[in-house]
Amino acid sequence: GAGVSQSPSNKVTEKGKDVELRCDPISGHTALYWYRQSLGQGLEFLIYFQGNSAPDKSGLPSDRFSAERTGGSVSTLTIQRTQQEDSAVYLCASSVTSGTGANVLTFGAGSRLTVL
Amino acid sequence: GQNIDQPTEMTATEGAIVQINCTYQTSGFNGLFWYQQHAGEAPTFLSYNVLDGLEEKGRFSSFLSRSKGYSYLLLKELQMKDSASYLCAVTDSNYQLIWGAGTKLIIKP
Repeated sequence: GAGVSQSPSNKVTEKGKDVELRCDPISGHTALYWYRQSLGQGLEFLIYFQGNSAPDKSGLPSDRFSAERTGGSVSTLTIQRTQQEDSAVYLCASSVTSGTGANVLTFGAGSRLTVL
Repeated sequence: GQNIDQPTEMTATEGAIVQINCTYQTSGFNGLFWYQQHAGEAPTFLSYNVLDGLEEKGRFSSFLSRSKGYSYLLLKELQMKDSASYLCAVTDSNYQLIWGAGTKLIIKP
């Protein structure tokens, strides 16, 4: 597609429920990142995928969080047993390649998650 | 540890010039980025510096000093639409992006 597409744009859920957030990166972009941004805060790295390599999961805050990327394209971030502190905007970004310093990220519009 | 520091908030007047500073301490360096993020929107790329010096792009310029671990973003002829958060990010020796918390810039008429 022309840009990074994320869905849903808004999700309200009850504490304890599972949620899935989807990211469709720019076609041909091999690197895909998930970030979390709380209100008024900076970007918190969650996970990144590069081609067929094992993902870097070092930013996932707990084992309730997981992500996969199927066929090197679409990615799904899953949060199990959601907690109120999971409320944030979840941003996905993709880039042409990783492994070089000049790696410009294109971000999606984000998925705003509210856990009641 | 790795750290990027930016002022939390700055205020400037329409038509004026503002300089947003960023200092970093990272394990290695492979480039520094500035992104702009309007409220409720995704960050968008502004500039990339990997060598010392000034990169100019229209009303926006970005400067880098690797020896000082320092960069600034200079915005000239400020417009109301420049009200946004400006994020500094550094690529470290493992090509991981380290992000600052961002500087919220408020433009007043």
